[in-house]
Amino acid sequence: GQQVMQIPQYQHVQEGEDFTTYCNSSTTLSNIQWYKQRPGGHPVFLIQLVKSGEVKKQKRLTFQFGEAKKNSSLHITATQTTDVGTYFCAGSTGFQKLVFGTGTRLLVSP
Amino acid sequence: GAVVSQHPSRVICKSGTSVKIECRSLDFQATTMFWYRQFPKQSLMLMATSNEGSKATYEQGVEKDKFLINHASLTLSTLTVTSAHPEDSSFYICRGRETGTGDPSNQPQHFGDGTRLSIL
Repeated sequence: GQQVMQIPQYQHVQEGEDFTTYCNSSTTLSNIQWYKQRPGGHPVFLIQLVKSGEVKKQKRLTFQFGEAKKNSSLHITATQTTDVGTYFCAGSTGFQKLVFGTGTRLLVSP
Repeated sequence: GAVVSQHPSRVICKSGTSVKIECRSLDFQATTMFWYRQFPKQSLMLMATSNEGSKATYEQGVEKDKFLINHASLTLSTLTVTSAHPEDSSFYICRGRETGTGDPSNQPQHFGDGTRLSIL
């Protein structure tokens, strides 16, 4: 079945450093979504990318969707302690089944 | 924006108890409800997909008789964990898909806030 892998599994950065997580799907996606989950909380929707090669920005966060629509990335510029959490990508096929990636846990030290 | 209300948010109960989790779509009609489970420090895994008025479709490895899903109306779907045991302790979360026209890839995604289930 469809698999969505993320790397790295875990990253520890100093506040102010940049951070990137990569998401790779075994199948071509119709769209990809990104979520942030704080410890003990539920996933919070960040963004959805639909078009091949699409790039979207939200303040310090930059999201990309690959040309082949099988991979995506999330880049955070100048991390802050509030960025701590686990970031999940989630890919959807035409049947709207959303398959979550394995997640990248980000820890930011002040 | 559209909201999915999920209750309860937290349940602690004894082994052997059956637990019902409800997800209600408050201002939209959820023709499809997806149910996910998340074990600690793991990703969300899709358990089943339910369409209003029909039987749920379960993912491989998910026991149909253990996790009963009912989607009797366009605004309510329930997941019942029958005879729960400690290994069923997990975070359960629903996601409602809104009825709509147009490109399905642009349909809004509406998650409940999740239910943290602890079986003693």
